[in-house]
Amino acid sequence: QKEVEQDPGPLSVPEGAIVSLNCTYSNSAFQYFMWYRQYSRKGPELLMYTYSSGNKEDGRFTAQVDKSSKYISLFIRDSQPSDSATYLCAMSGNRGSTLGRLYFGRGTQLTVWP
Amino acid sequence: GAVVSQHPSWVICKSGTSVKIECRSLDFQATTMFWYRQFPKQSLMLMATSNEGSKATYEQGVEKDKFLINHASLTLSTLTVTSAHPEDSSFYICSAHTDAAQPQHFGDGTRLSIL
Repeated sequence: QKEVEQDPGPLSVPEGAIVSLNCTYSNSAFQYFMWYRQYSRKGPELLMYTYSSGNKEDGRFTAQVDKSSKYISLFIRDSQPSDSATYLCAMSGNRGSTLGRLYFGRGTQLTVWP
Repeated sequence: GAVVSQHPSWVICKSGTSVKIECRSLDFQATTMFWYRQFPKQSLMLMATSNEGSKATYEQGVEKDKFLINHASLTLSTLTVTSAHPEDSSFYICSAHTDAAQPQHFGDGTRLSIL
């Protein structure tokens, strides 16, 4: 079993839809949780960064972390065609092999059609 | 803020050539820089971690004599692919952070094509 599981999709939604992206993980040492957006042939761009459990909102994006369930989510409201990209969840910890090192999900490919 | 610049963005060269890729943190000091490789439709695979002034730590299966990493300053790391062959063709991405409690910020990647 991989340490971080993410459904690769593809996910296709109409413009204006609410998108829900999810990852599960197995290592309880993970403390820092990130969502990156990656456009084709570009590097990942940091969207959200959360420490421990809780919610964080930034514009149309909301990140949720539930450490008890080892489950993280990213919600995109009022999705736009420009949101079409691959979304990668990533996490790291503060001890041992997880210190400062990112563990990635496979990425979910999202298409928002007009 | 937190901008990482990677250069070149695309390089095509003949088999046997050595290729150098630069990674710079433009507006912060990067105590640690990371080098990844990404194959089409796959996630990022960590190749090595480098701390300024120290030897890089390579992941299992990554040849350190093939992929030379230098991290001479807090804002610059370089990856040199020595005697590149077609199987080295890939998308190489660097990242950097100020410390382990901060997120990594990524460059835009270098597409390497070896003929």
